[in-house]
Amino acid sequence: QVQLQQSGAELVRPGASVTLSCKASGYTFTDYEMHWVKQTPVHGLEWIGAIDPETGGTAYNQKFKGKATLTADKSSSTAYMELRSLTSEDSAVYYCTRFSAYWGQGTLVTVSA
Amino acid sequence: EILLTQSPAIIAASPGEKVTITCSASSSVSYMNWYQQKPGSSPKIWIYGISNLASGVPARFSGSGSGTSFSFTINSMEAEDVATYYCQQRSSYPLTFGAGTKLELK
Repeated sequence: QVQLQQSGAELVRPGASVTLSCKASGYTFTDYEMHWVKQTPVHGLEWIGAIDPETGGTAYNQKFKGKATLTADKSSSTAYMELRSLTSEDSAVYYCTRFSAYWGQGTLVTVSA
Repeated sequence: EILLTQSPAIIAASPGEKVTITCSASSSVSYMNWYQQKPGSSPKIWIYGISNLASGVPARFSGSGSGTSFSFTINSMEAEDVATYYCQQRSSYPLTFGAGTKLELK
């Protein structure tokens, strides 16, 4: 069965960077785009962007350009999202999803000194 | 960017009551999904492609609409339906979500 296993919760300092991972199993990783979604109580669900694991091609929400960088490792069937220059506004739960049916369990990122 | 306006933001329904949630798009969309999310869990696809029930979704749920106006209906509310429901369009990038409708039991 399709599973998306995300990395654990992160507590990071303001100004730092963090890389989240999403390991896919149960399907051919390169056959589907992987998307990332941010969820906060204030802004709800926001689409960050997507990556084609086969080509490495990406599409980003303009709002997250410069904030998020998506990559994928075909050899380990793992997608990554790096978030940089973190502020309190980046505190959120981040999901990877093979839209629309399959979602990871989410990674809580807390930005705090 | 296509904005999705969901209403109401919160609704309370009694068991057996009919519930309708609407989602209005700022531009025409051809593909609308609805998700169910319960606290502490990831969103689950509930209805895809405007009106198709995801696997395992009870038949009391339905979706309809076209263009800029869409609706999500529960024919007969049950306690297990308590959750937040989101509409989401994937007709154009950036993909966007509605703000959500919190469904409570009266």
